[in-house]
Amino acid sequence: QKEVEQNSGPLSVPEGAIASLNCTYSDRGSQSFFWYRQYSGKSPELIMSIYSNGDKEDGRFTAQLNKASQYVSLLIRDSQPSDSATYLCAGPPGTNSGYALNFGKGTSLLVTP
Amino acid sequence: EAGVAQSPRYKIIEKRQSVAFWCNPISGHATLYWYQQILGQGPKLLIQFQNNGVVDDSQLPKDRFSAERLKGVDSTLKIQPAKLEDSAVYLCASSLVKYLDTQYFGPGTRLTVL
Repeated sequence: QKEVEQNSGPLSVPEGAIASLNCTYSDRGSQSFFWYRQYSGKSPELIMSIYSNGDKEDGRFTAQLNKASQYVSLLIRDSQPSDSATYLCAGPPGTNSGYALNFGKGTSLLVTP
Repeated sequence: EAGVAQSPRYKIIEKRQSVAFWCNPISGHATLYWYQQILGQGPKLLIQFQNNGVVDDSQLPKDRFSAERLKGVDSTLKIQPAKLEDSAVYLCASSLVKYLDTQYFGPGTRLTVL
């Protein structure tokens, strides 16, 4: 099983600041990554996907992929208390098994008013 | 469009008992996944179906877990007998067929084994 590593946090940022969430992966062949948000007691929901090197922006969210260094990051601009959640980084499992995701343990984000 | 449905939402059983979970995916989604999420960890794939065929069950503890997807729609996941370490949230997800299609998760079933 290929590894996806995240710092479990918690990461605490003040409201309005930029939150930076990071993820590293072991499979150099991985091509696609996903960021899911999971509120406490709820199921994961997809925020962003990124398939190529560089940045991808969607509203307040920017995903960054650096294949040479094998890391993926998620930036949240103008953080709001409603962004407080666990953020899961996921990549493909690196097997011939299909499209299932290989999740990291998640980083807990707390945005303080 | 209706989301992924799961039942029950909560279940408490004693160790060595059996339990079953049900999942109804989004209409038209050919691929269905069962994940196990232990507290403080990310979801871990247990089994993946494509229509009613198994694509990946390499991480399914087959001595106690079983799953089926009859007619390529609904799915059930069974644990028999349950162990304390099976306490977790069991998430069902579905997606269309193509690689990189978004996976949509159901609300999950929280299992507590006493």
